[in-house]
Amino acid sequence: EAGVTQFPSHSVIEKGQTVTLRCDPISGHDNLYWYRRVMGKEIKFLLHFVKESKQDESGMPNNRFLAERTGGTYSTLKVQPAELEDSGVYFCASRASTNYGYTFGSGTRLTVV
Amino acid sequence: GQNIDQPTEMTATEGAIVQINCTYQTSGFNGLFWYQQHAGEAPTFLSYNVLDGLEEKGRFSSFLSRSKGYSYLLLKELQMKDSASYLCASRGYQKVTFGTGTKLQVIP
Repeated sequence: EAGVTQFPSHSVIEKGQTVTLRCDPISGHDNLYWYRRVMGKEIKFLLHFVKESKQDESGMPNNRFLAERTGGTYSTLKVQPAELEDSGVYFCASRASTNYGYTFGSGTRLTVV
Repeated sequence: GQNIDQPTEMTATEGAIVQINCTYQTSGFNGLFWYQQHAGEAPTFLSYNVLDGLEEKGRFSSFLSRSKGYSYLLLKELQMKDSASYLCASRGYQKVTFGTGTKLQVIP
């Protein structure tokens, strides 16, 4: 079975630009999560999709972040406009509704300069 | 609310045993995960404890005490490849909260 795939693996953008991160979950996993790890700190929850619906978006830092999961398959996380403090590693994880196991992607390392 | 505490760094010798502790305060607690993360890679699942007690899986064991809000990960017969960050994560309702991770260095 293919794992969780994230694209790009690295992104360096200037402050004020827009970046879109993509996550392809494991096929059939209804639950998709976005997490972010800022250097030296813990992995923090951003939001949770169940199929195409946002179940919980309490971790989204502000309205510069927009996540979508059209069709309930892959998800995108757009940051517009990017700020310096948005730098970090953005992880995506997916989980089947029938079990507890979260499978993580390798993450996208975002650097805003 | 959610709060997880684990040591920042640990060093242990190849072949030895190391115990990584984690304390948590989680509303709606459903279970406790341990993940291993090598630098630049995805966190990989090690264990998930729901009930009190010790669960053993090869060289790795995980313990949970729900009443004390305490867990530990025990690594036996340490190998150099075990050098990694070990993340404690508690599961509340539909959400997993991570600790900062314990960076374990295994030395010869």
